[in-house]
Amino acid sequence: DAVMTQTPLSLSVTPGQSASISCKSSRSLLHTDGRTYLYWYLQRTGQSPQLLIYDVSRRFSGVPDRFSGSGSGTDFTLKISRVEAEDVGVYYCMQGRHIPLTFGGGTKVEIK
Amino acid sequence: QEQLVESGGGVVRPGGSLRLSCAASGFSFSDYGIHWVRQAPGKGLQWVAFIRYDGSHKYYIDSVKGRFTISRDNSQNTVYLQMNSLRAEDTAVYYCAREDTALTDAFDLWGQGTMVILSS
Repeated sequence: DAVMTQTPLSLSVTPGQSASISCKSSRSLLHTDGRTYLYWYLQRTGQSPQLLIYDVSRRFSGVPDRFSGSGSGTDFTLKISRVEAEDVGVYYCMQGRHIPLTFGGGTKVEIK
Repeated sequence: QEQLVESGGGVVRPGGSLRLSCAASGFSFSDYGIHWVRQAPGKGLQWVAFIRYDGSHKYYIDSVKGRFTISRDNSQNTVYLQMNSLRAEDTAVYYCAREDTALTDAFDLWGQGTMVILSS
């Protein structure tokens, strides 16, 4: 299985500052089709997860440009610039390259 | 609007069975693959199973193989998860999620979840 390791476990951010979350996979997520199947989801408290980023760095429809993804192969980063109160929640990376699909353990982001 | 609604959760004894349903509306259901993802209380997300848009391919996490069966009825816009031989570790909120096969392959639409509790 592709083990997804997220760090840090939690993050406390001052509004307006930036935050970064790391996600490392035990297997390369680059497919022979040229795509890298790495996603980021946000789960707000009491809600279902929602898609933020697909293919490492592509923002899903309606996602603010404060969210950006980067990385390649096995190492990935989600950056939230100018954090706002609505960004609070747990962020998960997920790989879609290998069955079983696997999620990172989650990073809880809170506001100071 | 586009929507997925799960149902069928509840309290069941270890060794028992339950069938979850995921009813879709507002989009062309037969064009999309559907996943089940679960979340144990206070824990992270765990992918459980997937069924292709036409039901021709199904995949499962090892821990549920032989116990869970995913199926779909495109005439009823519904995906099912038949869960047998349930164990304490199956206690979780179960979400169904749509896979955007056309563009992102991501889970772009999620249901609100249905809770499954194993209790003797």
